[in-house]
Parts: sequence; structure tokens; C-alpha cells
Amino acid sequence: NAGVTQTPKFQVLKTGQSMTLQCAQDMNHEYMSWYRQDPGMGLRLIHYSVGAGITDQGEVPNGYNVSRSTTEDFPLRLLSAAPSQTSVYFCASSYSGRKPMTYEQYFGPGTRLTVT
Amino acid sequence: GQQVMQIPQYQHVQEGEDFTTYCNSSTTLSNIQWYKQRPGGHPVFLIQLVKSGEVKKQKRLTFQFGEAKKNSSLHITATQTTDVGTYFCAAYSGGGADGLTFGKGTHLIIQP
Repeated sequence: NAGVTQTPKFQVLKTGQSMTLQCAQDMNHEYMSWYRQDPGMGLRLIHYSVGAGITDQGEVPNGYNVSRSTTEDFPLRLLSAAPSQTSVYFCASSYSGRKPMTYEQYFGPGTRLTVT
Repeated sequence: GQQVMQIPQYQHVQEGEDFTTYCNSSTTLSNIQWYKQRPGGHPVFLIQLVKSGEVKKQKRLTFQFGEAKKNSSLHITATQTTDVGTYFCAAYSGGGADGLTFGKGTHLIIQP
């Protein structure tokens, strides 16, 4: 199993550009989520999904869109990049069950995004 | 939203010394998880605590969950250079799929 994969590993955008960060998992996990990590801020939840066709907002959703058309994929879209979105983005997945947050989260390797 | 406070932010120790990081919440937690992130890497799950007063050990690592389920700690005995990294607690208060709330992490720096 590849686990959780993310592409690209690095990306530089100019202000106003849009792009999609890809995330895929091959563990048949129902729950997937996106976090951003900034120095001194820890990991902050952007969006999450409890299954295909279902998404919801986390703590810092503004400027980001998500969709979940399949169990395997959970792309994160930046609509109009801003310097404040410079960060490291991590995708994570876990088994869901009745209490999705009581299971181990598997993180991808991350995407390092710089917006100039 | 729920907040999880983690202290200290940084901890410098000599190799062989012990290390402890603390995680505190103002609300009762359903469960708490601990993750380790090596420099340049991604968070990796270490353990989950669910029961009041629970204590779990993994070799030199000891994890505790408070009796009131509002605080937790991770203690490393006799640190080694392989312990370098950032340790995060993550908590779920229950009642809905709001996601895990992560503490800001404790950076462990080990001087040989």
C-alpha cells in the first residue's frame, strides 16, 4: 500500500493564481481531511470529509474548496492564492466508523506552498 | 471552538535527560492522541488514550490521561537523538465530526 500520497511536493504560485493540491489514499478510509501547518501554529483543520459526496468546513476554510467524488481522492482547491496561504499542507485519512476522530490519522508527506 | 493548550513550546535537553510535554483543555475530552513529527517530515501517530486516568507505555515513552479527561502528558525517559522532533497532542471533544484539534506542539531539541 502506498498509504496517503500528495502531489505536488513543492509549489510556487503568484498572488491570484489558482491550483489544486491532490491527495489520494489506498486504504479504503472513509474519513479524509486537510490541514495547514504554519510555524508556531500547529496543525489547523481546513476541510474534512466523512465519505464520498460529503464535505464540511474545519477551523480555517476561507479561500479553499474541496470535493469528494470518490473514496480515494480528496483534492484541495485554492481559488485565488494569497501570500497568507503560504504554508505546508497535509492531507490525512482514517477509518471512520461511528466516531471518526477516535481512529489513528494517517498523514501524507505534505505539499510546501509558497505564494509570492 | 475547542482549544488544546500544549506546553512548553520548546524544550532543550542534554542527551540522556528526561523530557515531558503537557496538553491541557478547558473542556472534557472524548479521547486524546499523540503524534510525532520529525524535522521536514509529516506527523506520525504514536498512541491514543480514551479512559480516565489511563497510562500507556511504549518503551521509553509514557503517556497519561488525566482523571478528569482534561489533560494529558507525554514523558520520555533518557532521551536519545532519535527522539528529536515535534510532539503534538490532538483531541476530540465528541458530539460531532468536527475533526481533531491539535495543540501547537512541543519542539524537542537534544544536545549531545
